[in-house]
Amino acid sequence: NAGVMQNPRHLVRRRGQEARLRCSPMKGHSHVYWYRQLPEEGLKFMVYLQKENIIDESGMPKERFSAEFPKEGPSILRIQQVVRGDSAAYFCASSPGSENEQFFGPGTRLTVL
Amino acid sequence: QKEVEQDPGPLSVPEGAIVSLNCTYSNSAFQYFMWYRQYSRKGPELLMYTYSSGNKEDGRFTAQVDKSSKYISLFIRDSQPSDSATYLCAMRGLTGGGNKLTFGTGTQLKVEL
Repeated sequence: NAGVMQNPRHLVRRRGQEARLRCSPMKGHSHVYWYRQLPEEGLKFMVYLQKENIIDESGMPKERFSAEFPKEGPSILRIQQVVRGDSAAYFCASSPGSENEQFFGPGTRLTVL
Repeated sequence: QKEVEQDPGPLSVPEGAIVSLNCTYSNSAFQYFMWYRQYSRKGPELLMYTYSSGNKEDGRFTAQVDKSSKYISLFIRDSQPSDSATYLCAMRGLTGGGNKLTFGTGTQLKVEL
């Protein structure tokens, strides 16, 4: 019974490069959420997706960040032209429905040099 | 003012002690309340999930919600060194208000032998 899977676990990028973070939800879960955890801060909501739809992106920065959850395959959080301030732990969570608990993956730690 | 306030600690207790962790919040729309445990460099693990006011017990853990005071608590009985972690409170409104979780910054707990 695999939990939420994220890869890569660690990602190093130079300023200006692109970062792609992947999330496979738990089996049977069709709702995916992305959160960002900056040092000394709590987790901050970024985006909520269902298959092929973005439901709530109120926490996403307006530029450089995008997310998708295609019909087949994992959810992708994409950060274009990364800057040092993007360095953080990015967590994905999933739930079977909108009313249910969210279960988190192990996170991807992004370091921007 | 943050929507959810949580004392960051660190909180250090001897093994076997009763631990009390707390959060206050300002948004009266919050209806679902959660506690997550996060070990260093790992993803948050759901401990307790409650709806509205009242108490919920699961093993050594008891969650309390007092909506009139906008105050939630997590009690850990017979604390163990393995309980040493950061504890995050989280909350959200009803589905119509969005599924995003709003987190406290976390309380770091250390249980000493």
